[in-house]
Amino acid sequence: DGGITQSPKYLFRKEGQNVTLSCEQNLNHDAMYWYRQDPGQGLRLIYYSQIVNDFQKGDIAEGYSVSREKKESFPLTVTSAQKNPTAFYLCASSIKVDVLNYGYTFGSGTRLTVV
Amino acid sequence: GDSVTQMEGPVTLSEEAFLTINCTYTATGYPSLFWYVQYPGEGLQLLLKATKADDKGSNKGFEATYRKETTSFHLEKGSVQVSDSAVYFCALSGAFGFQKLVFGTGTRLLVSP
Repeated sequence: DGGITQSPKYLFRKEGQNVTLSCEQNLNHDAMYWYRQDPGQGLRLIYYSQIVNDFQKGDIAEGYSVSREKKESFPLTVTSAQKNPTAFYLCASSIKVDVLNYGYTFGSGTRLTVV
Repeated sequence: GDSVTQMEGPVTLSEEAFLTINCTYTATGYPSLFWYVQYPGEGLQLLLKATKADDKGSNKGFEATYRKETTSFHLEKGSVQVSDSAVYFCALSGAFGFQKLVFGTGTRLLVSP
């Protein structure tokens, strides 16, 4: 079955460490997105990518980095510059030219905790 | 810019009660409208959608009608179950440029037996 796989489900980071969250999709979707979710604040867009080797900053990109070397993969690195990284991170994908009809497909999320 | 406003939660209901979660939007042109549901510890799942004015989206007993005159897309269910307890997000996809979803802040629904 096609879908989006995020790993790991739980991740613990020490102060000053970089960590990378994985997001893989086999839906043949063009576009991919990363969101951060904090309690009571809904979803905030971190980065998005419309095509391979191209990506754009979202609303809260500071302290994060991404790459899009393959259509199927869009990993997110949370760097030590992100001062408050504890949150639930969601990856999503879409057919670039038809979000109007299909919306997004989401992964099951990664919960990152700073220890 | 485009935006979505949802009623604040939590919404607390008894089983078999009627549910309404309000959603209004601001957008240029003719966006598509969506409701997503998030169960605890999981990602978001598409619940229903409507792509043009007066369309009614429906799924699993939930319904929402795209009302252009009131710029609304309220979610309703006639009889909620405990298993409906979740966070519900209203979203729109703008009609112009790169079609990115804009989400509301989410409304938590708690259903008690």
